Amino acid sequence: DQQVKQNSPSLSVQEGRISILNCDYTNSMFDYFLWYKKYPAEGPTFLISISSIKDKNEDGRFTVFLNKSAKHLSLHIVPSQPGDSAVYFCASTTSGTYKYIFGTGTRLKVLA
Amino acid sequence: DTGVSQNPRHKITKRGQNVTFRCDPISEHNRLYWYRQTLGQGPEFLTYFQNEAQLEKSRLLSDRFSAERPKGSFSTLEIQRTEQGDSAMYLCASSLGQGKYFGPGTRLTVT
Repeated sequence: DQQVKQNSPSLSVQEGRISILNCDYTNSMFDYFLWYKKYPAEGPTFLISISSIKDKNEDGRFTVFLNKSAKHLSLHIVPSQPGDSAVYFCASTTSGTYKYIFGTGTRLKVLA
Repeated sequence: DTGVSQNPRHKITKRGQNVTFRCDPISEHNRLYWYRQTLGQGPEFLTYFQNEAQLEKSRLLSDRFSAERPKGSFSTLEIQRTEQGDSAMYLCASSLGQGKYFGPGTRLTVT
């Protein structure tokens, strides 16, 4: 029962261009969504989050969009940099539970 | 370094042995979590503490697994009678509010 899906296992983007990572969820009770970045041999690092009362949240080069009717969120990175190369996980949760459900990750490679 | 720390970073054990991992959270964080990650998957929730109270346990946490946070600070995760299927990265995280900060993980290999 995969409640959070990242259907693209990998993505390659040229440096300076936009990276778009997608995530779909099935549980309509989820009301808080996060993106984490993971480098090899390190734990996941929090990137950006969004509450279900918003449809967009921006932090520097990172923007997360939420489409509640489609149960879809996306992470935009612009401009992409080689240091952004990592595995990106989306996670969903319901307020008050503190239990995150993670997707399987998308490996982003930014080509110099 | 004031982040979440985990020890050991790597553990190789033989099937049937017991192992124990330690997590030291960020000092002011009252919530502590354990997750497990296997190859090609995202982290999967195992259990969660608020201070010293264990408030939620996943069905993934079989009877061979036990977690403690005796004084509301560091936590230990013990796996008894390890099986090859226990091979994974065990991640600890801590938080004050909604955002979780993860440690580097302990990679367990059961031979």
